[in-house]
Amino acid sequence: GDSVTQMEGPVTLSEEAFLTINCTYTATGYPSLFWYVQYPGEGLQLLLKATKADDKGSNKGFEATYRKETTSFHLEKGSVQVSDSAVYFCALIMATGNQFYFGTGTSLTVIP
Amino acid sequence: GAVVSQHPSRVICKSGTSVKIECRSLDFQATTMFWYRQFPKQSLMLMATSNEGSKATYEQGVEKDKFLINHASLTLSTLTVTSAHPEDSSFYICSARSPSVRAYEQYFGPGTRLTVT
Repeated sequence: GDSVTQMEGPVTLSEEAFLTINCTYTATGYPSLFWYVQYPGEGLQLLLKATKADDKGSNKGFEATYRKETTSFHLEKGSVQVSDSAVYFCALIMATGNQFYFGTGTSLTVIP
Repeated sequence: GAVVSQHPSRVICKSGTSVKIECRSLDFQATTMFWYRQFPKQSLMLMATSNEGSKATYEQGVEKDKFLINHASLTLSTLTVTSAHPEDSSFYICSARSPSVRAYEQYFGPGTRLTVT
């Protein structure tokens, strides 16, 4: 079935460090791919998305590229800030479906 | 952006009692709402999909008599955990979608932490 596997955390980085959170997927068709972020005490917020192969989603300095050949959608940011501390979820949804499939979430802590 | 609220944010109940969790779309009409459950260090798992005015559709393995879902209005869906047991302790998250947007444009609530003692 459809599923998402993402890097386990927690991840702790110093401010201005480079961030990569790996995400790979398994899908029977052509999914749309997402990264959601959850700040403490808040709901999941859409961070970025890509709806077809080779698309790059970007927002707030974060980027992820939909790689069909490696079935991946890794999240990157060149210079993290303390305010980026949150839990990050990779997810997919099929074009004909309603259901999101989420990864397990990766907790990121950025220290000054 | 669209806001979805959940109430309560945390609840502790005794084994055998029932607890109701509310999910509200604050600034849009949600014809479809989704209920997810998250176990520690695990993915969010879809429990059920509810459409306003009709019965919820439950995912395989979810007990519909235990997790009662009501979507009586375009802005409110409720999840009632009946005869709760410690194994029902979890983090419950709802999401909401209006009919005019694409399937993936769902807005998530902040979640409800349920602890059954």
